[in-house]
Amino acid sequence: DAGVIQSPRHEVTEMGQEVTLRCKPISGHNSLFWYRQTMMRGLELLIYFNNNVPIDDSGMPEDRFSAKMPNASFSTLKIQPSEPRDSAVYFCASSPGLAGGEQYFGPGTRLTVT
Amino acid sequence: GENVEQHPSTLSVQEGDSAVIKCTYSDSASNYFPWYKQELGKGPQLIIDIRSNVGEKKDQRIAVTLNKTAKHFSLHITETQPEDSAVYFCAAPPWEQLIWGAGTKLIIKP
Repeated sequence: DAGVIQSPRHEVTEMGQEVTLRCKPISGHNSLFWYRQTMMRGLELLIYFNNNVPIDDSGMPEDRFSAKMPNASFSTLKIQPSEPRDSAVYFCASSPGLAGGEQYFGPGTRLTVT
Repeated sequence: GENVEQHPSTLSVQEGDSAVIKCTYSDSASNYFPWYKQELGKGPQLIIDIRSNVGEKKDQRIAVTLNKTAKHFSLHITETQPEDSAVYFCAAPPWEQLIWGAGTKLIIKP
């Protein structure tokens, strides 16, 4: 398996623009997680899906952020409009869907908003 | 809610020496405690985990110990090598999602 795939790997955009980050989880995994990592705040869980259904989105910072999982093999995280404080590395992770199971992380998307 | 505290934030050890990183958690119901390693430019990767019915687990040079009474668990790395340089995260689950520690930057001095 190729592991968790994220695209793009790097994104530079101007404030106010829409940004869409993409994730393909490992085949057969039932849970998908979106994280944001910054020096100041560390690793933050934004939202997690189980069987394509959002289970906990309490970490989504504000209405500018939205996430979808239309099927078991694809998820998006959208920021509209983007702001400089959104600059961070965004990770997608997937797991087999069992409590207490390993999470497999993608390589991340480094987002810079100028 | 669950809270996980991790110490130290930075740890510098001589190559060949041991390193110990500690985490405390707040939720008594937590029963799974993983440790992840993050190398520069990559996502975190699971290196070892322990469940609440076990007090210690070893895998070659790394080990994790768990004290449920005191609500803390530790990562031990022996005979450290340059490739151990990375950021290490502990975590504990309220449910399937994990609450993460702030991370420890481990520096191995030659």
